[in-house]
Amino acid sequence: GAGVSQSPSNKVTEKGKDVELRCDPISGHTALYWYRQSLGQGLEFLIYFQGNSAPDKSGLPSDRFSAERTGGSVSTLTIQRTQQEDSAVYLCASSRSGTSAPDTQYFGPGTRLTVL
Amino acid sequence: AQSVAQPEDQVNVAEGNPLTVKCTYSVSGNPYLFWYVQYPNRGLQFLLKYITGDNLVKGSYGFEAEFNKSQTSFHLKKPSALVSDSALYFCAVRDSGGFQKLVFGTGTRLLVSP
Repeated sequence: GAGVSQSPSNKVTEKGKDVELRCDPISGHTALYWYRQSLGQGLEFLIYFQGNSAPDKSGLPSDRFSAERTGGSVSTLTIQRTQQEDSAVYLCASSRSGTSAPDTQYFGPGTRLTVL
Repeated sequence: AQSVAQPEDQVNVAEGNPLTVKCTYSVSGNPYLFWYVQYPNRGLQFLLKYITGDNLVKGSYGFEAEFNKSQTSFHLKKPSALVSDSALYFCAVRDSGGFQKLVFGTGTRLLVSP
């Protein structure tokens, strides 16, 4: 079946602009994760959604970052007033349940964000 | 807090030779361990995972990994490397306490020469 998809694949923006990144998880997966991959910080967790529960936002680096998940499926990560240090590849992953079972997280191809 | 160490930035091996990519971990509870591979301009692809049971885990593309609790290691291995195995490899850990995020190592670049 289809894997995790993300759009856009590349995004170039100017400092101070807002951006929205989209993630479509694997159909039937209830858990969704956002990670960020950057040269200086490696792969870091941003936020986790599980079903209708309140998301775990513990990894969001600042209040300029927010995410939502509509209808338990598609998710949007929004970065307001982008800064150059936000430049990174943003990866989305989904897993079947994400609760007590050690589910495998399957990753999308990522969105490469460049802030000029 | 959970952590993962991949002590080698790069591993070089000749095609046909065995390869090992090292990973050590630290968690407060029982570990769930994962290996992912990343090809250029691609996302992460799942290779294998250890949850419980046999210490030797077999995964995709002929890769396997050995869980060693006493050494807190989970090294990735393959008996015979292929040039197409050249990529960036990430080890990740999750503890069994219900906290869902994966904590990743810094990655090891594997270069297989013909």
